[in-house]
Amino acid sequence: GAVVSQHPSRVICKSGTSVKIECRSLDFQATTMFWYRQFPKQSLMLMATSNEGSKATYEQGVEKDKFLINHASLTLSTLTVTSAHPEDSSFYICSAPREGYTDTQYFGPGTRLTVL
Amino acid sequence: AQTVTQSQPEMSVQEAETVTLSCTYDTSENNYYLFWYKQPPSRQMILVIRQEAYKQQNATENRFSVNFQKAAKSFSLKISDSQLGDTAMYFCAFIVPNTDKLIFGTGTRLQVFP
Repeated sequence: GAVVSQHPSRVICKSGTSVKIECRSLDFQATTMFWYRQFPKQSLMLMATSNEGSKATYEQGVEKDKFLINHASLTLSTLTVTSAHPEDSSFYICSAPREGYTDTQYFGPGTRLTVL
Repeated sequence: AQTVTQSQPEMSVQEAETVTLSCTYDTSENNYYLFWYKQPPSRQMILVIRQEAYKQQNATENRFSVNFQKAAKSFSLKISDSQLGDTAMYFCAFIVPNTDKLIFGTGTRLQVFP
């Protein structure tokens, strides 16, 4: 099967600090990864598409300077929440389609971010 | 614009019974994929079933099957012999062709009672 991991699973930070979340495809390569945000009891909201070797593309309304995305290799994408504030507290999920099988995405277990 | 609508915020079913979750979508594309994902309390998204729009045959995965009505743009999920472990949020999703982007519905919370 296709496995996607995320690290950390949960993080608590102080307001004003930056937090990095990693998304890794463990047994396949992914030139594209996706980052979602999920509020309690709500659906997943696509934030951005992470592209290996090029800039990420952000959905309308998502602040590029707040949510920095880097796709450093074919198996790793990182989301950095810069100068985090309490309103950034949320559940962040990444997904990746297997290269060559782009119609099906596999999800990481998510990261719960709490900003105090 | 492509949209996915799940009109049932919550459903409940007794163990061993059958339940159907509704989903409709809107698109002008002819070739696309549809999915049902399950999100249990752990919040890990799990693929339940996928349907290719060009296939008329309804997809089936063990106790899970879909009723895909392309003309009506309807994609319901039937869970047979419901189990306590089926308790979860269920999201219907549509993949936008040539973008790989998934569009999710608002979800249906399913509770299976003993």
